[in-house]
Amino acid sequence: DAKTTQPPSMDCAEGRAANLPCNHSTISGNEYVYWYRQIHSQGPQYIIHGLKNNETNEMASLIITEDRKSSTLILPHATLRDTAVYYCIVRVPQGGSEKLVFGKGTKLTVNP
Amino acid sequence: GAVVSQHPSRVICKSGTSVKIECRSLDFQATTMFWYRQFPKQSLMLMATSNEGSKATYEQGVEKDKFLINHASLTLSTLTVTSAHPEDSSFYICSARGASGGSSTDTQYFGPGTRLTVL
Repeated sequence: DAKTTQPPSMDCAEGRAANLPCNHSTISGNEYVYWYRQIHSQGPQYIIHGLKNNETNEMASLIITEDRKSSTLILPHATLRDTAVYYCIVRVPQGGSEKLVFGKGTKLTVNP
Repeated sequence: GAVVSQHPSRVICKSGTSVKIECRSLDFQATTMFWYRQFPKQSLMLMATSNEGSKATYEQGVEKDKFLINHASLTLSTLTVTSAHPEDSSFYICSARGASGGSSTDTQYFGPGTRLTVL
């Protein structure tokens, strides 16, 4: 199973871009990288996912390196409400029932 | 994104009683649902995976007779914690994935969670 490594915590100033790194050096060719976040005492919220190409949606951008061994989630203009634990997850295929395995994530604190 | 609901949002029960938690996909059909548990200051731990109409697959160390999972329809899965004890107190979160399961592009959506406290 591919695993991910993320810094345990990061700080960001409100209004600035938050860049959250993730290493997944053992990722397989058909595995996707997913990002979720969890605000305190809530269920995880889907943010974005990608395979090879960079992706962008209304919430964030995902930059995946050419060798796919790492990726960066970018929140272009962080707000206080973006304070959360961010999880980078590689989709693990298991007998056709693919599952998400959560690591410890990065606790992002957006400061005023 | 798709919406997943859970009921109840929080429950307090006495030791030895059973508690049922419902998980519903509100605007899509979910052939696969997942149940997670999260203890304070820890990450989510997958408990089991259930496919509609078939038995759930439990993760190692999770007692299937204690955590009963039923996935009888494409929009509803239930988790029953039987004979609950204080150590079962936790945040239980369900997740659902769309009907075209098996594709790497299918996204899993999570419910808001259920806070269980066993006295």
